Amino acid sequence: AQSVTQLDSQVPVFEEAPVELRCNYSSSVSVYLFWYVQYPNQGLQLLLKYLSGSTLVESINGFEAEFNKSQTSFHLRKPSVHISDTAEYFCAVSEGYDMRFGAGTRLTVKP
Amino acid sequence: NAGVTQTPKFRVLKTGQSMTLLCAQDMNHEYMYWYRQDPGMGLRLIHYSVGEGTTAKGEVPDGYNVSRLKKQNFLLGLESAAPSQTSVYFCASSGPGLAYEQYFGPGTRLTVT
Repeated sequence: AQSVTQLDSQVPVFEEAPVELRCNYSSSVSVYLFWYVQYPNQGLQLLLKYLSGSTLVESINGFEAEFNKSQTSFHLRKPSVHISDTAEYFCAVSEGYDMRFGAGTRLTVKP
Repeated sequence: NAGVTQTPKFRVLKTGQSMTLLCAQDMNHEYMYWYRQDPGMGLRLIHYSVGEGTTAKGEVPDGYNVSRLKKQNFLLGLESAAPSQTSVYFCASSGPGLAYEQYFGPGTRLTVT
């Protein structure tokens, strides 16, 4: 079965600094890749997804992720973070009905 | 559109008690899922359904049962609650097709004492 490893459990960063949240996956077949965000006491919301085509995908709020097949990675980046980006971020991989999530990375943006 | 809703939002059970969590979606989605979220472990799939009247086991199904009698509803049951089932439970739904994103409910926080 597919699996996901998020390499950092916590990432503290100052406001307006760049950030990268790392995600590696394992799978024996073609996959679909997702990043979800969870704000405190809320459910998960889709941030962005890779299905096929361009390996660089972007969200509406400035995040981007690049699918790297050779390194089996799907790292999430933002060039300048805001206080409001403080949340937990989950990388997920899907081969079909079964979506597997990473353990999550807690991003804390400090003023 | 309410999206995905979950009832109740909070619940405290004693060991051995039973309860049912209700998930409802108004997006006419075929697929529905139940996950549990525990600190440092991400989300783990308990059971899922690919259509009305069908259910299947996920990664951690033991101690739980599910039913999907109506397309819009997906029920998660705990017949005899155990402290190890203390968790936050999330329901999700998605449309047809393997690549469809999942839409999540707000969660149910369950404590078993």
